[in-house]
Amino acid sequence: KAGVTQTPRYLIKTRGQQVTLSCSPISGHRSVSWYQQTPGQGLQFLFEYFSETQRNKGNFPGRFSGRQFSNSRSEMNVSTLELGDSALYLCASSLEAGPNYGYTFGSGTRLTVV
Amino acid sequence: AQTVTQSQPEMSVQEAETVTLSCTYDTSESDYYLFWYKQPPSRQMILVIRQEAYKQQNATENRFSVNFQKAAKSFSLKISDSQLGDAAMYFCAYRSTYNTDKLIFGTGTRLQVFP
Repeated sequence: KAGVTQTPRYLIKTRGQQVTLSCSPISGHRSVSWYQQTPGQGLQFLFEYFSETQRNKGNFPGRFSGRQFSNSRSEMNVSTLELGDSALYLCASSLEAGPNYGYTFGSGTRLTVV
Repeated sequence: AQTVTQSQPEMSVQEAETVTLSCTYDTSESDYYLFWYKQPPSRQMILVIRQEAYKQQNATENRFSVNFQKAAKSFSLKISDSQLGDAAMYFCAYRSTYNTDKLIFGTGTRLQVFP
């Protein structure tokens, strides 16, 4: 059974550009969540999608957005990149939404903004 | 708001020995989940163990066990018979059953294992 797949693994972008990260959940999983990991702020929740709908959103500016497709794959987009957006972006999927269902994480996308 | 605190930025242990990682949390909720995740250099966050707050019995997964003290809001992880492959960052995390469905992570503890 394939795990959570995140692409690309590494990305270098210039300040002001926009970027799209992709997450393919485990087959059959319908919930996808995104987290940002930085040395300064640690791990912070970005948003969660379930059945193509955003269920929850963390405390991030509107430059951070996401969506989920009918096959449960999810993308997150960051517009007008800032140096502080450099981070490891982790995606996690679960069978259903709700705390009763455990997360499986991907290996993340390392974004560097220069 | 809930918070999770890991007061040990780094810990080290010799192979085959036992080590305990500390975690405290703050919440006003009575029902929640607590987790320990391991993040090796491969970056993938791997679930080590999970504890449901309404269960008094401490969770155990092979060499990994927790000491869950609900009243003290403490959730420590004990690793027995440490192996070189246990070397990683370990994160304690909280998940509410009532509010925003997200994991709240501590700052992590880097565990080194020496042969």
